[in-house]
Amino acid sequence: SQQGEEDPQALSIQEGENATMNCSYKTSINNLQWYRQNSGRGLVHLILIRSNEREKHSGRLRVTLDTSKKSSSLLITASRAADTASYFCATAPNAGGTSYGKLTFGQGTILTVHP
Amino acid sequence: DSGVTQTPKHLITATGQRVTLRCSPRSGDLSVYWYQQSLDQGLQFLIQYYNGEERAKGNILERFSAQQFPDLHSELNLSSLELGDSALYFCASSVGQGAGELFFGEGSRLTVL
Repeated sequence: SQQGEEDPQALSIQEGENATMNCSYKTSINNLQWYRQNSGRGLVHLILIRSNEREKHSGRLRVTLDTSKKSSSLLITASRAADTASYFCATAPNAGGTSYGKLTFGQGTILTVHP
Repeated sequence: DSGVTQTPKHLITATGQRVTLRCSPRSGDLSVYWYQQSLDQGLQFLIQYYNGEERAKGNILERFSAQQFPDLHSELNLSSLELGDSALYFCASSVGQGAGELFFGEGSRLTVL
């Protein structure tokens, strides 16, 4: 089963616009990560936010985390055609034991940026 | 280039057959993870190894098995293949055994006919 649920499933915007994707999850987490996947390629890590952090920036990326609502958002500012890809949130469990490195991915948001 | 190498890139086989997917992690990474990606199931965690030992297990089928060798490369064995096993299989690696940043390979696309 999927821990993270992304919203929207698909997003189409023009170059220069901002893109916002949301992720909701169900259980307590250690951290939440965002990954990008170009069609049929491997996933690329974008940013990691820990459960005790509320906001994090990396270049044109801004991630927020609200643990009380069990939700996160990824904002890509001034989007470019090259940002066209699928974006996934992934949650790392808070529990130790047998969970260790088990990242659970959401279904992803397909972002299309038109030139 | 993530530094994670997966072979083969593409594989076509028949139902009932057995295949082995291979993964070489980034230099220095001790953890290897296997994920399955399909249109209907999305990205599913299969299993994690850390320095040769199993660390976490997901919904990996009994027909599937994996291991990590002393040189840290890993193999995922898929047997008695079914049509529904057709998917992209990703290997990822990380330095530690906790759920930090993962580095993914380009995947092995398996088609079962």
